[in-house]
Amino acid sequence: QSVLTQPPSASGTPGQRVTISCSGSSSNIGSNVVNWYQQLPGTAPKLLMYTTDQRPSGVPDRFSGSKSGTSASLAISGLQSEDEGDYYCVSWDDSLNGWVFGGGTKLAVL
Amino acid sequence: EVQLVESGGGLVKPGGSLRLSCAASGFTFSSYSINWVRQAPGKGLEWVSSISSYSAYIYYADSVKGRFTISRDNAKDSLYLQMNSLRAEDTALYYCVRLVGVDQKYYFDHWGQGTLVTVSS
Repeated sequence: QSVLTQPPSASGTPGQRVTISCSGSSSNIGSNVVNWYQQLPGTAPKLLMYTTDQRPSGVPDRFSGSKSGTSASLAISGLQSEDEGDYYCVSWDDSLNGWVFGGGTKLAVL
Repeated sequence: EVQLVESGGGLVKPGGSLRLSCAASGFTFSSYSINWVRQAPGKGLEWVSSISSYSAYIYYADSVKGRFTISRDNAKDSLYLQMNSLRAEDTALYYCVRLVGVDQKYYFDHWGQGTLVTVSS
């Protein structure tokens, strides 16, 4: 059971907009930033969004992040087939004194 | 180019020990906190442990506390994870991950390719 809660799956057709949620608590998302990682099949995770809404260089502006209270969201607009993979949110937890990940969301592009 | 290369994984019996290593290059190793993150086969990511740049701050996930020990040698640009009393549930791909911070806001920016640990009799 992950500390951060994500939907196990999400899907959309090419060109659509998809949102992946990440729900936590006051000790993690409520008081710390959220980071997002994309993991394509057979590869190591890759930084997708940091400090809630910042994109690393090379990440298209189709990806955006937001946070409200104890929840965060990753939005992907103009969905493309190469976006298929697993997406994870992560935040520092002040009570656990450690990093906590969401369980991951498998994104399918239909 | 930042590189993190893990080694030391393998097959070990329950109750056994293993020592993982992570060789860093392409950046000033002693300036960064480094973490271990693992991923069981077909499962999600789980943070394992963190060590600050000069080992002043060390943290562990509850699942490994008392069994795993993280350490580093800045002179050798290397990170280690000593794993004792291994259990089947420790079976996973172990990633070495660099932590960076901007204005006290932190994130993992570079990941190694991982080393596989299998605990089985």
